[in-house]
Amino acid sequence: EIVMTQTPLSLSVTPGQPASFSCKSSQSLPHGGGKTFLYWFLQRPGQSPQLLIYEVSSRWSGVPDRFSGSGSGTDFTLKISRVEAEDVGIYYCMQSTQFPYTFGQGTKLDIK
Amino acid sequence: QVTLQESGPALVKPTQTLTLTCTFSGFSLATSGMGMNWIRQPPGKALEWIARIEWDDKKFYTTSLKTRLTISKDTSKDQVVLTMTNMDPVDTATYYCLLNADSWGQGILVTVSS
Repeated sequence: EIVMTQTPLSLSVTPGQPASFSCKSSQSLPHGGGKTFLYWFLQRPGQSPQLLIYEVSSRWSGVPDRFSGSGSGTDFTLKISRVEAEDVGIYYCMQSTQFPYTFGQGTKLDIK
Repeated sequence: QVTLQESGPALVKPTQTLTLTCTFSGFSLATSGMGMNWIRQPPGKALEWIARIEWDDKKFYTTSLKTRLTISKDTSKDQVVLTMTNMDPVDTATYYCLLNADSWGQGILVTVSS
């Protein structure tokens, strides 16, 4: 089983400032057919999670361009260029390269 | 527009079997490449992937729950069903269905208690 480790566990950011989330996998995530199946989700308080980034770096429909994803191998990063109040919640990474799919433990973002 | 809705009991007793249904619209699970996942989230804890069924009826389960889970689909009804046997209080969680990686249901909180 691939273990996904997210750091930090929590983050407090002033609006307008950047934020960075790390996700490390216990095994390299291979890219089959040029794709690496690493996703980022945001779960706002009291809501279902929603997809932000798929295949490491592609923004899902309707996701603001202040969100960006990068990485390869075992190290992946989600960045918010300028945090807004609506970005509050828990950010999860997930790999679907290999069964069982696995999530990280999440990084909680709040606003200073 | 894709919609997913979980349904089932809010409360089950220990040792009972849980049956959850995900009813969906806006797509066909018979389409190549489609897959429906079940994810659960204990209160205040992280997300956990537990099962997936694919368009061609391939099924996958998380290792720790493999002996207790069964996932199935009824393409004619646009439903996916998850059963979990021998429920325990530690299985108390919100259960979500998730289409591929992009569309989530609203979730259903299932409490296991006598």
